[in-house]
Amino acid sequence: DTGVSQDPRHKITKRGQNVTFRCDPISEHNRLYWYRQTLGQGPEFLTYFQNEAQLEKSRLLSDRFSAERPKGSFSTLEIQRTEQGDSAMYLCASSVRQIRSPLHFGNGTRLTVT
Amino acid sequence: EDKVVQSPLSLVVHEGDTVTLNCSYEVTNFRSLLWYKQEKKAPTFLFMLTSSGIEKKSGRLSSILDKKELFSILNITATQTGDSAIYLCAVVEAGGTSYGKLTFGQGTILTVHP
Repeated sequence: DTGVSQDPRHKITKRGQNVTFRCDPISEHNRLYWYRQTLGQGPEFLTYFQNEAQLEKSRLLSDRFSAERPKGSFSTLEIQRTEQGDSAMYLCASSVRQIRSPLHFGNGTRLTVT
Repeated sequence: EDKVVQSPLSLVVHEGDTVTLNCSYEVTNFRSLLWYKQEKKAPTFLFMLTSSGIEKKSGRLSSILDKKELFSILNITATQTGDSAIYLCAVVEAGGTSYGKLTFGQGTILTVHP
């Protein structure tokens, strides 16, 4: 499968714990995005990387959230001191740097904070 | 703030029916509008629209954009149970570091009964 890969698929954690998710984009894609989706809503933008540079962060992304893309390939999203409100599907997407290149999404990581 | 609004929020039809899904938008500097289909997991790309009045078509699905009235429609003819999904509309704003970032509507949940 050469699509966007996310790991893990599901994560259940207790409030206050830290969690980390991984995204492997399509290999030739230099743009990488993280989105969050809650039930009944469309995905909301969290952050964007072009190669290894994090170029934009949503104000939705509190200080407890951090994302990295150390070598411009895979990316990690870490949530520290999780809260119940963090429960959501976290989607990763990638694209090439072309004007009319659509985003390709992974299957997401579903986080449940108990 | 940019806004994307979809209607209806949910729709229940029978196989063979034709459906029209609506998406209206307000963005500062419009670049393109995209439609995605989301079943259990990853949103999958359907169409990208950049020019008014030009219909995009793929099998039983078609879509058109009206940049003057700031809306798009997605038509599905002869619906099948496999069309049951959430249909997401998203817009891309031009320019700056936001390039390529999608702003989504809340989605339309389509249910097709046999």
